[in-house]
Amino acid sequence: DIQMTQTPSSVSASVGDRVTITCRASRGISSWLAWYQQKPGKAPNLLIYAASSLQSGVPSRFSGSGSGTDFTLTINSLQPEDFATYYCQQAYSFPVTFGGGTKVEIK
Amino acid sequence: QVHLVQSGADVKKPGASVKVSCKTSGFTFTNYEISWVRQAPGQGLEWMGRIVIYNGNTNYAQKFQGRVTMTTDTSTSTAYMDLRSLRSDDTAVYYCARQHCTSSSCYAHIDYWGQGTLVTVSS
Repeated sequence: DIQMTQTPSSVSASVGDRVTITCRASRGISSWLAWYQQKPGKAPNLLIYAASSLQSGVPSRFSGSGSGTDFTLTINSLQPEDFATYYCQQAYSFPVTFGGGTKVEIK
Repeated sequence: QVHLVQSGADVKKPGASVKVSCKTSGFTFTNYEISWVRQAPGQGLEWMGRIVIYNGNTNYAQKFQGRVTMTTDTSTSTAYMDLRSLRSDDTAVYYCARQHCTSSSCYAHIDYWGQGTLVTVSS
């Protein structure tokens, strides 16, 4: 199975900050990576697929980059509604695997 | 609009089985694949498996092989996940989720999720 390692596990930030979350795959997955946002008590919501494609309806302050084994999710100008937990997911092969999550908290 | 509506919360005793349903609408059911993902309290997301709806083919995570069965009823556009021999560490919210598909291919990322079903395993 492909292991996905997300860092950091948590980050404290203020409204207006830029936040960067990284995800590393245990072996190359080309650009087959997705990012999700999850708020407490809710299902995850797709933000980015194919490493850098923005899902319809997702604000443009979210962006993704990377290929191979190293990926990044960037949130520009953090908004109050962005405080949540973020997960990466490799979509290269089954079994699908997720990163451990990054909680973005209010500083 | 795409909707995935899951069955309600359930409480089971250790050793029992649970069957979670996921009724879909707003898309052509047989053109898609459905994954099941679970989340234990305070923990991350764990993929359990997927079913290719048009032919019923399944892939299960090794951890659940022999304990899980995923099925669909195409007449009602409903997916089901059956988990047997429940243990306390199976207590989790279980999500059904639609994988993204185009006219030519399906992909492993998920574009729509059900609301989740809390399954509690307790004696």
